[in-house]
Amino acid sequence: DAEITQSPRHKITETGRQVTLACHQTWNHNNMFWYRQDLGHGLRLIHYSYGVQDTNKGEVSDGYSVSRSNTEDLPLTLESAASSQTSVYFCASSARRGSEAFFGQGTRLTVV
Amino acid sequence: AQRVTQPEKLLSVFKGAPVELKCNYSYSGSPELFWYVQYSRQRLQLLLRHISRESIKGFTADLNKGETSFHLKKPFAQEEDSAMYYCALGRIGNEKLTFGTGTRLTIIP
Repeated sequence: DAEITQSPRHKITETGRQVTLACHQTWNHNNMFWYRQDLGHGLRLIHYSYGVQDTNKGEVSDGYSVSRSNTEDLPLTLESAASSQTSVYFCASSARRGSEAFFGQGTRLTVV
Repeated sequence: AQRVTQPEKLLSVFKGAPVELKCNYSYSGSPELFWYVQYSRQRLQLLLRHISRESIKGFTADLNKGETSFHLKKPFAQEEDSAMYYCALGRIGNEKLTFGTGTRLTIIP
């Protein structure tokens, strides 16, 4: 079955370290998204991509970067982790405009 | 700018009672509205969208453009409805979704 998977599921890192969260989907979806989920803020869009070599900033993109070298993967990199980036991160993908977004199971990141 | 407001962070309802989760949006164009649900220890999943006008697990939601609302309703709550519910707004022709802050629904047995 096609799916979207995130790794790792849990990560603890130190302030200042570079961290990369992986997202892999097997639906061949063009659209991929990264959100962070925080209490009181809901889900906020970090970065998104509409296809290979396309990346765009979301509403909370500072301190994060993404790259899209193939259809299946959209890794999210925290260049220099900060305690404010402690959160649960969700990756999602969708096939086309207006279609359902499928979410990964989430990555809980703690920056100490 | 588009915005989604879910005024209730927490909502507790007795089993068998009606449920209404509020969602208001602000957007000047043609909106697409969705409800997503996250059950305990599960991933976020689509519950319903206004375009399909269907009922899923007994839930319905009607888009009211005059009141800019998309409230989620169910006439008789069940224990398995306990979850986190997110209202989301998309623009027609655009893939991005803007989520509300979510409402945690607890059904009291």
